[in-house]
Amino acid sequence: ETGVTQTPRHLVMGMTNKKSLKCEQHLGHNAMYWYKQSAKKPLELMFVYSLEERVENNSVPSRFSPECPNSSHLFLHLHTLQPEDSALYLCASSQDSANSYEQYFGPGTRLTVT
Amino acid sequence: LAKTTQPISMDSYEGQEVNITCSHNNIATNDYITWYQQFPSQGPRFIIQGYKTKVTNEVASLFIPADRKSSTLSLPRVSLSDTAVYYCLVVLFTGGFKTIFGAGTRLFVKA
Repeated sequence: ETGVTQTPRHLVMGMTNKKSLKCEQHLGHNAMYWYKQSAKKPLELMFVYSLEERVENNSVPSRFSPECPNSSHLFLHLHTLQPEDSALYLCASSQDSANSYEQYFGPGTRLTVT
Repeated sequence: LAKTTQPISMDSYEGQEVNITCSHNNIATNDYITWYQQFPSQGPRFIIQGYKTKVTNEVASLFIPADRKSSTLSLPRVSLSDTAVYYCLVVLFTGGFKTIFGAGTRLFVKA
């Protein structure tokens, strides 16, 4: 138990569906992250929020839309995804920017796009 | 950010000490070296972080030579449960959020 929870743990969706991934951290951290981990590829940083403001957006397609309503919650809204978007989506948090080297990861959401 | 290079995989036996070396030739003055561990179907877990010389905690030791162009993660007396992927990262300590994970080293511990 890392203090970071993600729901759902598994998700299967069609290419025309709209779904959302949820992340919640119970650590009092100020920064939250979304990563994508595809099979046999390194983790890719997607988005970073610091104090509820987006500070990083690593050229992620617009079909992925993040939302950070407060410092404890982070969402990833998904729409019109492609099969190649199937991956493990990981959420992480860190105390703040000065501690970004120490991130706490959730268990991930295994997404399958059919 | 400095690129890191580490072996793709390593095998070991229970009870042995395992050393995983990471190269980071372009490391900058304000960069710190960080290691993570990832088990299958789980998120990575922070193991240890250091700037220079040696750092030790309850899980591992991290050796960093004076030129800081490489680092070695040392796992004492590994067990089967240490089978995982180990990632070496170089992270800007003074701020910024870019963390780049490489392919990592897949460690397989045998009985």
